[in-house]
Amino acid sequence: GAVVSQHPSRVICKSGTSVKIECRSLDFQATTMFWYRQFPKKSLMLMATSNEGSKATYEQGVEKDKFLINHASLTLSTLTVTSAHPEDSSFYICSARVPATNEKLFFGSGTQLSVL
Amino acid sequence: GQQLNQSPQSMFIQEGEDVSMNCTSSSIFNTWLWYKQEPGEGPVLLIALYKAGELTSNGRLTAQFGITRKDSFLNISASIPSDVGIYFCAGRGGGTSYGKLTFGQGTILTVHP
Repeated sequence: GAVVSQHPSRVICKSGTSVKIECRSLDFQATTMFWYRQFPKKSLMLMATSNEGSKATYEQGVEKDKFLINHASLTLSTLTVTSAHPEDSSFYICSARVPATNEKLFFGSGTQLSVL
Repeated sequence: GQQLNQSPQSMFIQEGEDVSMNCTSSSIFNTWLWYKQEPGEGPVLLIALYKAGELTSNGRLTAQFGITRKDSFLNISASIPSDVGIYFCAGRGGGTSYGKLTFGQGTILTVHP
């Protein structure tokens, strides 16, 4: 299957700092990527849809100024958690739709964010 | 919004047993996908279904797209310890953006040797 690389896999930061998470499609171009948040043993919650060259579309209840998304190229989307607080601690996962694969979404390996 | 109800929430089985889990929706879905997630990792696609009634296998895994387009099931035959993980169904309903999926709550599978 297609490879989606996510980095870092784990990050610990102090409250009030910002954290950037990268999501790269390694062997295909992704015009659309998706960012999810997941709590332990819970389902994936879609946060936003990242569109190359345009603004991200956020789901209801997700603060766009808190979770900044940039999709500047066809192989890279970034999620920046700004002024992080302990309640932002979570597992963040990106995914990308592979063109011409009839809606198959491939996921990155996730980033565990811990805010102290 | 669209919701998927996935059951069971968890299963504890012996190695060699067969497993069945399912997802239902109150609205019609056009695509069903089944994923497996292991601790600390992202979900891995197992099977994708696109047509009502479609039955697809991937090794010991078999999944079907329900005739009513409101449900799907995943079966695992002759389970082995490495089947342990969380299994998620995911689907796209009519009127939603291409590629935008709704996920079920997940089924936590534990296999005892």
